[in-house]
Amino acid sequence: GENVEQHPSTLSVQEGDSAVIKCTYSDSASNYFPWYKQELGKGPQLIIDIRSNVGEKKDQRIAVTLNKTAKHFSLHITETQPEDSAVYFCAATSRASKIIFGSGTRLSIRP
Amino acid sequence: DAEITQSPRHKITETGRQVTLACHQTWNHNNMFWYRQDLGHGLRLIHYSYGVQDTNKGEVSDGYSVSRSNTEDLPLTLESAASSQTSVYFCASSDGTGGRSEQYFGPGTRLTVT
Repeated sequence: GENVEQHPSTLSVQEGDSAVIKCTYSDSASNYFPWYKQELGKGPQLIIDIRSNVGEKKDQRIAVTLNKTAKHFSLHITETQPEDSAVYFCAATSRASKIIFGSGTRLSIRP
Repeated sequence: DAEITQSPRHKITETGRQVTLACHQTWNHNNMFWYRQDLGHGLRLIHYSYGVQDTNKGEVSDGYSVSRSNTEDLPLTLESAASSQTSVYFCASSDGTGGRSEQYFGPGTRLTVT
């Protein structure tokens, strides 16, 4: 069935360093790839998304890259700050326009 | 400001009881979704609706039902609660075409089935 795999499940980086989270998807028809950030005790919130007609998108310290041939996409956070500590989820749309989420990455920023 | 709310925020119930979780959005969005979140599984789709009177099963729909009688509300019912349904439940809504647009999530309901 449709699947989105996300790695790593936990990630700890020094404040100021970069963090990279990677996802792969199985449905070649997927064309929308959002990333959500979930802070403790809250619902997920969209931080950036990319559609299949572009290969990269940036928003300040956050960037997402997409490789449709290899069916993988990645989230890059540069100059990490304490407030970046959270759980991050990647997602991809399925054939039926449903969204399938990855299993999440718990990112910790060390001071 | 538009928002999406869930109630109750916490619920403890016994095995076999019927439970209904409420979700209300004031975005006037056509699309509404219910997810459950468990450690190691991320967010899994239970049911979703693309408009009034429309409901569809997600990947983990067994034991759950929804109904959509108006734009604002999508209540989730557990017909006979089981311990395996202990989880955190999130409701979300979106505009646009199905899953291809930003989803706005509620704060979640933590359900414990004893």
